[in-house]
Amino acid sequence: EVRLVESGGGLVQPGGSLRLSCGASGFTLSYHWMTWVRQAPGKGLEWVANINTDGGEKYYGDSVKARFTISRDNAKNSVYLQMSSLSVEDTAVYYCASLRGFSGYDAIDYWGQGTLVTVSS
Amino acid sequence: DIQMTQSPSTLSASVGDTVSITCRASFKISNYLAWYQQKPGKAPKLLIYKASNLESGVPPRFSGSASGTEFTLTISSLQPDDFATYYCQQYHTNSYTFGQGTKLEIK
Repeated sequence: EVRLVESGGGLVQPGGSLRLSCGASGFTLSYHWMTWVRQAPGKGLEWVANINTDGGEKYYGDSVKARFTISRDNAKNSVYLQMSSLSVEDTAVYYCASLRGFSGYDAIDYWGQGTLVTVSS
Repeated sequence: DIQMTQSPSTLSASVGDTVSITCRASFKISNYLAWYQQKPGKAPKLLIYKASNLESGVPPRFSGSASGTEFTLTISSLQPDDFATYYCQQYHTNSYTFGQGTKLEIK
């Protein structure tokens, strides 16, 4: 069974930083592009970032560009999201997920359960 | 960026009904479109990829179609488990975008 498990969420003050982690089991993460998607409370889904299989290609949504960094450690079967200069607008559940195929142009098939990030003073 | 305009935002229907949800892309996206179902407090679930391909394990009452930049998700013979929120998503570029969502409610 494929499982993606996010961790690292919590309460952070505006301007602060946080690092989210995503561990995979039942799944060889190194074969797949990975993505982060977020959902603010009561709102829709927003794509955050993608990373290719070896970490050499990274893409970001406009609202997080230059503040967030996606990375991966295939040896640890893990993906990360380093978030900095956080604002209240970044408050959301953050989902780690995998792309269905082996390219960067595919649907999102496996999703984690999400981790809540709350930015508040 | 490619914008995805999804409609309606809310849809009321009864068990057994057939309903359709539409997404319109602001540019051609070569059928690189997916549909997801999300229930409260849960992660989204992939239903359809490449506009009309049914994901493994998804009941065949779900179907997708495309016409130019307009995409449609149709759910036939609604079941109680189908009442949820549905999102479209384009992956034509490396800057993904989601539709605003459609909440399917029981009439």
